[in-house]
Amino acid sequence: NAGVTQTPKFRVLKTGQSMTLLCAQDMNHEYMYWYRQDPGMGLRLIHYSVGEGTTAKGEVPDGYNVSRLKKQNFLLGLESAAPSQTSVYFCATQGYNQPQHFGDGTRLSIL
Amino acid sequence: DQQVKQNSPSLSVQEGRISILNCDYTNSMFDYFLWYKKYPAEGPTFLISISSIKDKNEDGRFTVFLNKSAKHLSLHIVPSQPGDSAVYFCAASGGNYQLIWGAGTKLIIKP
Repeated sequence: NAGVTQTPKFRVLKTGQSMTLLCAQDMNHEYMYWYRQDPGMGLRLIHYSVGEGTTAKGEVPDGYNVSRLKKQNFLLGLESAAPSQTSVYFCATQGYNQPQHFGDGTRLSIL
Repeated sequence: DQQVKQNSPSLSVQEGRISILNCDYTNSMFDYFLWYKKYPAEGPTFLISISSIKDKNEDGRFTVFLNKSAKHLSLHIVPSQPGDSAVYFCAASGGNYQLIWGAGTKLIIKP
């Protein structure tokens, strides 16, 4: 998945700490997405962006914020981490009439 | 309420035989369906898709069948190979670039 890079790959946080997950793409795709994946569940959409400077809420946006200041980057922020946010986070990009293309994920544990 | 369901958490198939993975949906507005494959520690990768105007789409060893009246789709893999061992996700779209995902089926190909 060289086209979509997620940073970091692993992180352990304490409850109440903040952090930002970075998604960077070199595919020139307009659409970008942040998902979380939990055991026994499908991917759930947190936030998405249809272009530079735009963001929108997905299915499970509470506790997260996002920004898309540059077309190639989509940032996911946790202002005050909670144990319920322990998950694997995936970023995806999408070009027009193409399937979504995923990064390799960020495994986040909150103690 | 799960709009996309994959009722089999796991499936074990002998190498060389046919693997059939199933997916049911409840929303009749879904008009595009995709299958993704996921290996451990990697992001999902696109496998095959089908539009609601078709009932079958084939790509090499992979065929997806869509039964709109039953709100059911299936992925057939023939012949199954060891490299096919992975988690398979079904996803559906209602035309707004957002995907609704099933919980996944873990396919194990036995040598």
